[in-house]
Amino acid sequence: NAGVTQTPKFRVLKTGQSMTLLCAQDMNHEYMYWYRQDPGMGLRLIHYSVGEGTTAKGEVPDGYNVSRLKKQNFLLGLESAAPSQTSVYFCASSYSIASRQGKNQPQHFGDGTRLSIL
Amino acid sequence: GESVGLHLPTLSVQEGDNSIINCAYSNSASDYFIWYKQESGKGPQFIIDIRSNMDKRQGQRVTVLLNKTVKHLSLQIAATQPGDSAVYFCAETEFNKFYFGSGTKLNVKP
Repeated sequence: NAGVTQTPKFRVLKTGQSMTLLCAQDMNHEYMYWYRQDPGMGLRLIHYSVGEGTTAKGEVPDGYNVSRLKKQNFLLGLESAAPSQTSVYFCASSYSIASRQGKNQPQHFGDGTRLSIL
Repeated sequence: GESVGLHLPTLSVQEGDNSIINCAYSNSASDYFIWYKQESGKGPQFIIDIRSNMDKRQGQRVTVLLNKTVKHLSLQIAATQPGDSAVYFCAETEFNKFYFGSGTKLNVKP
């Protein structure tokens, strides 16, 4: 079972470079999320999507953009990387509340992308 | 318990003992709670969840207790094993937004 797959697993960028992180899920989940995880801190939500073609800002959206052109994929873009964006990035997905009798569902996570900005 | 900062609180237990990990949540309107386990180099893994209309829920070797009066959540692991060594953190949610604690590191001594 693939679940949530993130690519790449590791990346080193120079300040000012751009890149896209890819997240793919095979569970037919409606919701998808991008988080960053920094040492000693909880996961912080960057952007999320409640369905194909929709995106919304989370807690720390500045410097990032996202797209959800297909239900199974959620892309996170860094337009001009900065050292403050050095972090581990996690993608997650879940069923929608509407599709599960109005009840929240747990998020399923990928194994992360470790990104260093020099 | 959990805290925001550079250093995670650590709980050290002997193999075979029971472990209790605590979490204080902030939003009294949160109606769904989850415990996750995160091993080094891996993504968070779902352990157990509980809804706000319940006080206790049991899984295999794990129990979650919810005290809404004091906004407190705990995870109990029975007969802790070396494979349980990881960072554990709770998540609270209202509607479709999740908020995560920073975690507690569980260290199981053989």
